[in-house]
Amino acid sequence: DADVTQTPRNRITKTGKRIMLECSQTKGHDRMYWYRQDPGLGLRLIYYSFDVKDINKGEISDGYSVSRQAQAKFSLSLESAIPNQTALYFCATSAPRGDEQFFGPGTRLTVL
Amino acid sequence: AQKVTQAQTEISVVEKEDVTLDCVYETRDTTYYLFWYKQPPSGELVFLIRRNSFDEQNEISGRYSWNFQKSTSSFNFTITASQVVDSAVYFCALSESYNQGGKLIFGQGTELSVKP
Repeated sequence: DADVTQTPRNRITKTGKRIMLECSQTKGHDRMYWYRQDPGLGLRLIYYSFDVKDINKGEISDGYSVSRQAQAKFSLSLESAIPNQTALYFCATSAPRGDEQFFGPGTRLTVL
Repeated sequence: AQKVTQAQTEISVVEKEDVTLDCVYETRDTTYYLFWYKQPPSGELVFLIRRNSFDEQNEISGRYSWNFQKSTSSFNFTITASQVVDSAVYFCALSESYNQGGKLIFGQGTELSVKP
């Protein structure tokens, strides 16, 4: 089984809908991250969490919220999806020294 | 501010050619890590290499090699005798130190197309 899983893998939704992307990990890492990938822009950090009680905004947090339900779970929510949130979303976990990240397979989100 | 620049947006080569992907970074940290990831058409991110700021030795892994030069803040990636399976988007990334969050700052990516 994969160490970092993301559900759903693909999602098409409509403008204004609320949507949640979920991430689970079995690596036992404390740190988890959500990134967004857009063509020509690379990956940009949305939110990150050092542990269940410590959540921090990244570079592009507007329009997103997160929930760290447990050490192993970190969810990303779009409260009211808009078309420019169409992107590939990656979850990642950080190794104990923080110098390596392990990525999930990605969730491709389309907002119509 | 920390930044990673991959000036080459797209590169197209013919199979068996050598190709170098450039990566230039900016950071004020003295301790940092540099990475290369490969993203094939299937979309997942494949880890290729990690290099810490204190290790400037070049590294070779099969047809892949990396040249890290702190003097020019560059971490370039060379594929020797390219193959069609090397076609992908390649990302260079810089990691902040653990105490600053360990976040990754990615370059824009270079799309490599290797034609038969």
